[in-house]
Amino acid sequence: RKEVEQDPGPFNVPEGATVAFNCTYSNSASQSFFWYRQDCRKEPKLLMSVYSSGNEDGRFTAQLNRASQYISLLIRDSKLSDSATYLCVVNQGGGNKLTFGTGTQLKVEL
Amino acid sequence: NAGVMQNPRHLVRRRGQEARLRCSPMKGHSHVYWYRQLPEEGLKFMVYLQKENIIDESGMPKERFSAEFPKEGPSILRIQQVVRGDSAAYFCASSMEVGYEQYFGPGTRLTVT
Repeated sequence: RKEVEQDPGPFNVPEGATVAFNCTYSNSASQSFFWYRQDCRKEPKLLMSVYSSGNEDGRFTAQLNRASQYISLLIRDSKLSDSATYLCVVNQGGGNKLTFGTGTQLKVEL
Repeated sequence: NAGVMQNPRHLVRRRGQEARLRCSPMKGHSHVYWYRQLPEEGLKFMVYLQKENIIDESGMPKERFSAEFPKEGPSILRIQQVVRGDSAAYFCASSMEVGYEQYFGPGTRLTVT
């Protein structure tokens, strides 16, 4: 089983749609969780940290379920500029290295 | 307020040559991490350094690869006697403290011919 698993997609959605991505992780000792986005041939950019209580930043909402070892990202009112690969990232015990999922590709279309 | 800086952005080496990749962390960050992204794959952790110390090199190949973060100057990832399989994007990240959010540089794309 992969340490961090994501559906690779692609998710093709119309502008204005709501889209949700899911991610599971295998190490129950994992301590912190993030969503990054990566545009083609660019560096990963931090989108948001994910907390047990859930957190929201504008059109983006992240949720963490430690019991199920499951992380989600919800994007409301999708924009063309949201088209990218979304990376689920887990910081395992010790906190010094990130484990990346292979990413979920999102394409927002007119 | 400069972010993480990496150079060169693109590097071409022939098989058997050495590659040196440089990374300057964000201002105020003393923790540096190197990751490698092979074509069509996810990012993989290589090494974590603080000033003058390698803290975790569990992701580094056992041979030909080394990293340093001297007291003065950037962190260096060094690959000796490069092979075609070393062709990848190498990203550096930095954080203010261990376990905090990591911010990535633009990467160095290494091509071995």
